[in-house]
Amino acid sequence: NAGVTQTPKFRVLKTGQSMTLLCAQDMNHEYMYWYRQDPGMGLRLIHYSVGEGTTAKGEVPDGYNVSRLKKQNFLLGLESAAPSQTSVYFCASTPGVLSQPQHFGDGTRLSIL
Amino acid sequence: GESVGLHLPTLSVQEGDNSIINCAYSNSASDYFIWYKQESGKGPQFIIDIRSNMDKRQGQRVTVLLNKTVKHLSLQIAATQPGDSAVYFCAENRELTGGGNKLTFGTGTQLKVEL
Repeated sequence: NAGVTQTPKFRVLKTGQSMTLLCAQDMNHEYMYWYRQDPGMGLRLIHYSVGEGTTAKGEVPDGYNVSRLKKQNFLLGLESAAPSQTSVYFCASTPGVLSQPQHFGDGTRLSIL
Repeated sequence: GESVGLHLPTLSVQEGDNSIINCAYSNSASDYFIWYKQESGKGPQFIIDIRSNMDKRQGQRVTVLLNKTVKHLSLQIAATQPGDSAVYFCAENRELTGGGNKLTFGTGTQLKVEL
């Protein structure tokens, strides 16, 4: 039972490069989320999705795009990476019926030089 | 604005003692709270949750207390073990318009268990 799987686990980019972070869940959850975690701060919501084909902005969406083409996958894209996007990125999912705890992956550690 | 804060950034306890981690929240409309444990290099792991119609909930070695009058939440860990060493986050959950839940996290409390 894998739960929420994030790839890659680590990545180093140069300013201006683009990349996509992949989140996959095998729990048939409806809702999926992308967060970033910075030192001394809690997790902040970037974007989320309440179902296949739908996405919405969270607290800190600027500089990121997302797509949910398949229910089990939620992709986070950086079109032109900036040093301020150096962070640890976490994906989470919930069943979506009622308020339920979110299940998290183990994160992607991203450094932008 | 809404915020979730923790009283202490670091808590050190002796193995076998009970631990109490506190959390203050500011949004009186919040109706669901979650405690997460995060170990180094891992994602947050669900520990226990509580809804606003309750003031106490118990799990295995953990208890969460909710005081809505003063907007305070606490996590109690009984007989703390070395494996409990981690950062603990209180998260305030609110439902979003159109669906989905938003978690607002505090900055976390580092629990250190001394042998």
